[in-house]
Amino acid sequence: EPEVTQTPSHQVTQMGQEVILRCVPISNHLYFYWYRQILGQKVEFLVSFYNNEISEKSEIFDDQFSVERPDGSNFTLKIRSTKLEDSAMYFCASSVKGFSGNTIYFGEGSWLTVV
Amino acid sequence: AQSVTQPDIHITVSEGASLELRCNYSYGATPYLFWYVQSPGQGLQLLLKYFSGDTLVQGIKGFEAEFKRSQSSFNLRKPSVHWSDAAEYFCAVTGGYQKVTFGTGTKLQVIP
Repeated sequence: EPEVTQTPSHQVTQMGQEVILRCVPISNHLYFYWYRQILGQKVEFLVSFYNNEISEKSEIFDDQFSVERPDGSNFTLKIRSTKLEDSAMYFCASSVKGFSGNTIYFGEGSWLTVV
Repeated sequence: AQSVTQPDIHITVSEGASLELRCNYSYGATPYLFWYVQSPGQGLQLLLKYFSGDTLVQGIKGFEAEFKRSQSSFNLRKPSVHWSDAAEYFCAVTGGYQKVTFGTGTKLQVIP
């Protein structure tokens, strides 16, 4: 079964450093997402992306965050200057369509630890 | 705004016993509901989903869930729990938008 893949699985970074998390969505999917889960808390929506632009973002997704689809297969999340509170599991997800009735498939996640 | 409540933070059941995990949602129109499972350090695996039609939906690993509009609930059930079912379970809702809203999760512990 096709799956969403994410790299790295775990990254430790110093506060203030830039981090790029990478994702390869399922090949025929058109909508891409990033969610995050702070340890012990619920999964939270960050941003959705379609047709090479952000279609929706949450209040968490501030100017420190950016997303990009640099080529036909990758979808990246960049955190420009990491803070301690950015430590979380970041999930990439994709779906065929963005509107109701379509399943969103999640990757295994990337653990980000900011020290 | 859509929201999901999972009232049980932690549930412990004996292996072989039945299981019911509660989920209540808030959404003004027809919701689209999901249950995901997350093993420690792992990603989110879709167990089952409700979009329309039969209100009792079957999922993987022997799980089922029933959508009850009158109660705004989508409880997850399994007739006989296995030790490998120990994980965290998340109920989620989307209402026709791209954003999926998750509940806070229920951690399931299975004892011999």
